[in-house]
Amino acid sequence: QVQLVESGGGGVQPGRSLRLSCAASGFPFNNYGMHWVRQAPGKGLEWVAVISYDGSETFYADSVKGRFTISRDNSKNTLYLQMNSLRPEDTAVYYCVRDSLNWGLDYWGQGTRVTVSS
Amino acid sequence: QSALTQPASVSGSPGQSIAISCTGTSSDVGGYNYVSWYQQHPGTAPKLVIYDVTDRPSGVSSRFSGSKSGNTASLTISGLLAEDEAVYYCSSYTSTNTMVFGGGTKLTVL
Repeated sequence: QVQLVESGGGGVQPGRSLRLSCAASGFPFNNYGMHWVRQAPGKGLEWVAVISYDGSETFYADSVKGRFTISRDNSKNTLYLQMNSLRPEDTAVYYCVRDSLNWGLDYWGQGTRVTVSS
Repeated sequence: QSALTQPASVSGSPGQSIAISCTGTSSDVGGYNYVSWYQQHPGTAPKLVIYDVTDRPSGVSSRFSGSKSGNTASLTISGLLAEDEAVYYCSSYTSTNTMVFGGGTKLTVL
């Protein structure tokens, strides 16, 4: 069965960096685009970034552009999110999500919590 | 990348039907048939219930249906059950190769 397991979350001070990882299994990882989606405490869903199946294309939400980098290692079936210059407003649960081929997000990880606070 | 517009809340009695609207622009909802809907229960990850405006993933009840007219998409849930009580989000692909979500609609089953 499809499994997406995020890791790397935690508490960090403003301005610092954090790298999230997502280990994928149960499907041909190198055939699917992948997304990161976040949800601030008590708030709605916010799309963060997408990467194509082969890593050749990436797109970002304006709120993270220039600070976050999405990447993938298909040899390790792993998705990453490098987050730099973190701000308090980046505090959220970050979900790793598979794209079903038409921007429908069909499998979600359990999420990893990131807290940015001094 | 402005959020799509959804009503904050809707309610219905068991057995009834409800509809949730999702309004965007010609650069997102109106321009592409890549509208999806997600169901989220408290403390859990969202679940895809509709994709490509009208299609249901395998395993999702046929009580869930989607439609679109112009810049507004809609999710209809018929034969409401207590387990349908959740927050529902719409999303759309956009003209800038990004995605945008709606603000979410809390469905209360009375």
